[in-house]
Amino acid sequence: GESVGLHLPTLSVQEGDNSIINCAYSNSASDYFIWYKQESGKGPQFIIDIRSNMDKRQGQRVTVLLNKTVKHLSLQIAATQPGDSAVYFCAETREGAQKLVFGQGTRLTINP
Amino acid sequence: NAGVMQNPRHLVRRRGQEARLRCSPMKGHSHVYWYRQLPEEGLKFMVYLQKENIIDESGMPKERFSAEFPKEGPSILRIQQVVRGDSAAYFCASSSGLGGNQPQHFGDGTRLSIL
Repeated sequence: GESVGLHLPTLSVQEGDNSIINCAYSNSASDYFIWYKQESGKGPQFIIDIRSNMDKRQGQRVTVLLNKTVKHLSLQIAATQPGDSAVYFCAETREGAQKLVFGQGTRLTINP
Repeated sequence: NAGVMQNPRHLVRRRGQEARLRCSPMKGHSHVYWYRQLPEEGLKFMVYLQKENIIDESGMPKERFSAEFPKEGPSILRIQQVVRGDSAAYFCASSSGLGGNQPQHFGDGTRLSIL
């Protein structure tokens, strides 16, 4: 759903562990979802997307899971590395709408 | 580098001045989007344009803000008579628009500071 200007939730993981970042989306009509990674001073970087006719999609070291029943999206990062440190945003839209609605974001920090 | 290019990266204006932010989409992309981001927040949609047309401006303030994407040249987001509350990072994204929803790819933004 819409960001509300609170401090970002933070997830701290040990290097080499798996990370799971969760997102609750707001619009049951949304049918296209994207995960973005944003590093300090940069724009959002596309990681992976999924359409509503799927419940799982895998990329390189990343997996996105979609549960439409509870309007929940998750991003799993395998073997987390220092370079994965960033803020991660989920975004939703629906066919024909084009505009993305961004979630609040989660800051991922990696402990050595 | 064929990515989305935004300039300037940083822009400082005094209250009442005009700010012009430019965006060149990725090669082959004809759909441009502008978003605004405040610190510690997600991006908020402002406007969606295709060449010479505004498709959706539902997120853009009715006054002082305008956007264009001319047939030739970059997309421009224009803010007239800036106020302190306009201070933010403004991001542009582009997509091919082919075959339904496609990923939007972002530039590194313009950070606007109002004195």
